[in-house]
Amino acid sequence: SQKIEQNSEALNIQEGKTATLTCNYTNYSPAYLQWYRQDPGRGPVFLLLIRENEKEKRKERLKVTFDTTLKQSLFHITASQPADSATYLCAWVKAAGNKLTFGGGTRVLVKP
Amino acid sequence: DTGVSQDPRHKITKRGQNVTFRCDPISEHNRLYWYRQTLGQGPEFLTYFQNEAQLEKSRLLSDRFSAERPKGSFSTLEIQRTEQGDSAMYLCASSLPTRNEQFFGPGTRLTVL
Repeated sequence: SQKIEQNSEALNIQEGKTATLTCNYTNYSPAYLQWYRQDPGRGPVFLLLIRENEKEKRKERLKVTFDTTLKQSLFHITASQPADSATYLCAWVKAAGNKLTFGGGTRVLVKP
Repeated sequence: DTGVSQDPRHKITKRGQNVTFRCDPISEHNRLYWYRQTLGQGPEFLTYFQNEAQLEKSRLLSDRFSAERPKGSFSTLEIQRTEQGDSAMYLCASSLPTRNEQFFGPGTRLTVL
């Protein structure tokens, strides 16, 4: 079965710096990898998606890269702000409209 | 607010009782998903529907769990004879079948005493 691994240690970062989060998958190449943000007590919110044939995707201060050789996606938050403090979840999906397989999430704390 | 609503937001029950949760997806979304999330973990897939048809159920969904989407709109998730291990956040999400992003509701937090 597929396993998605994210760094379970919280990432503490100074405001203005770039936060980099890692997502590794074990077996099957996904059709897509998705990144979600989750605040305490709330449901995840979709941020970005990257397809298996894409190397990089950007949205405002967010950037996602995908390396099928390493079976890894990196998620970057540039010019981080305290409002970026949240848990970030990586999700593997086989095809559009299918179930998501999530990693355990990485908590990010941006200090002013 | 993503447009997906869940009710109730919190439920405290005693072991052995039955509970039912409701999810109202975004109206034009015909795919509806249920996930369960425990503290410090990512959401785990339970089941999903395309309209009223239940397309897949996880092995996590024991025979004490049942989900329905009778008219292809709202969905209910029932847990019978609750156990303490059922304590978790139950999340509902919806999507269009040709789109990848899922829109999550706020979740129902279940505490089994």
